Amino acid sequence: GAVVSQHPSRVICKSGTSVKIECRSLDFQATTMFWYRQFPKQSLMLMATSNEGSKATYEQGVEKDKFLINHASLTLSTLTVTSAHPEDSSFYICSAIVGGGGADTQYFGPGTRLTVL
Amino acid sequence: AQSVTQPDIHITVSEGASLELRCNYSYGATPYLFWYVQSPGQGLQLLLKYFSGDTLVQGIKGFEAEFKRSQSSFNLRKPSVHWSDAAEYFCAVVLNQAGTALIFGKGTTLSVSS
Repeated sequence: GAVVSQHPSRVICKSGTSVKIECRSLDFQATTMFWYRQFPKQSLMLMATSNEGSKATYEQGVEKDKFLINHASLTLSTLTVTSAHPEDSSFYICSAIVGGGGADTQYFGPGTRLTVL
Repeated sequence: AQSVTQPDIHITVSEGASLELRCNYSYGATPYLFWYVQSPGQGLQLLLKYFSGDTLVQGIKGFEAEFKRSQSSFNLRKPSVHWSDAAEYFCAVVLNQAGTALIFGKGTTLSVSS
């Protein structure tokens, strides 16, 4: 199957700093990537849809100025958590679509554990 | 609104016993259906998917799922559970249009007892 990587896998930062998370499709091109957030013992919640070459589409309640998404190429999307606070601590997972025409299958990265002190 | 329900939050099964994880969806038409597994601290791995055709779908690791339109269900099954199957299982749906994100159920935690 298609491989999606994320970097870093874990990051600990101080409150007020910014953190960048990278999501790469390793063996395919992905025009669309998604960013999810998962709290402990809970399901994945979609944060935003990232389309190559255009602005991301954010879900209701997600602050676009806080969670900056850039999809500069067909194999890379980045999520930057700006001025991070402890409540931003979470597990962030990206996914990329393989296929098209409606029969899309999403492949997920291994996730990034963010801890804000 | 489209939704996915996994009624069982936590299930414990003896090793070697059969398993069935329930999933119901609410949507006017038949969406595309998926089952993913997540091990602790890991991303999601696709177990199987249903788009159309045969309603019994075979997946990886010995899992299968059956789509029942009349019940709006897509239950996951395995005839004999292994200790390594202990994980979180998520059912998900997506509208049959390109570029749409998945909608996940809340997940079912599977514990395997020896």
